[in-house]
Amino acid sequence: GQNIDQPTEMTATEGAIVQINCTYQTSGFNGLFWYQQHAGEAPTFLSYNVLDGLEEKGRFSSFLSRSKGYSYLLLKELQMKDSASYLCAVGNDYKLSFGAGTTVTVRA
Amino acid sequence: DSGVTQTPKHLITATGQRVTLRCSPRSGDLSVYWYQQSLDQGLQFLIQYYNGEERAKGNILERFSAQQFPDLHSELNLSSLELGDSALYFCASSSRTSGGSYNEQFFGPGTRLTVL
Repeated sequence: GQNIDQPTEMTATEGAIVQINCTYQTSGFNGLFWYQQHAGEAPTFLSYNVLDGLEEKGRFSSFLSRSKGYSYLLLKELQMKDSASYLCAVGNDYKLSFGAGTTVTVRA
Repeated sequence: DSGVTQTPKHLITATGQRVTLRCSPRSGDLSVYWYQQSLDQGLQFLIQYYNGEERAKGNILERFSAQQFPDLHSELNLSSLELGDSALYFCASSSRTSGGSYNEQFFGPGTRLTVL
């Protein structure tokens, strides 16, 4: 089975940094994905980690530790448009298993 | 725009009815995935097809069925609808299918189903 945990909500100020943690216990693993989803819209791909370490992509970075079953998504220089839900997902063979999502609210 | 299209955008129907949701994957993608997202459940994987064949099943009810056609579009059929089936239904596509490989999925805009 799959067990993926991430915080429900986080609030941060515009221009700040926020780190969203994700822990997982899964029966198989072929990658850890982060998606962004604005309310009522489709999830959009942000990042992918399959090896341990940090992947940086502009203002977004994602980290993975496979031995610890742990990942985080780091959002830097927060902008109002970053207010959204961030979904951690574990790839396993043919499917993605998603966490419940972390709602990030950016305040001015 | 992800390149994945879904119709209809909105669907309102009554309990006990049957509906069909349609998805066209990105050009060249052979894999299609269906997800259900309700307020209290998050994004739940339902089923996956690859090149016309079922590849994986998730939390899909027996009242629900899907298929992928030779032109690679897919349909999700929901029958004997209940109030609890009200949700956003997303289709996603990817170009890879097997475990161990990068399987980024591109999501369509979703169909919002309301069962009254």
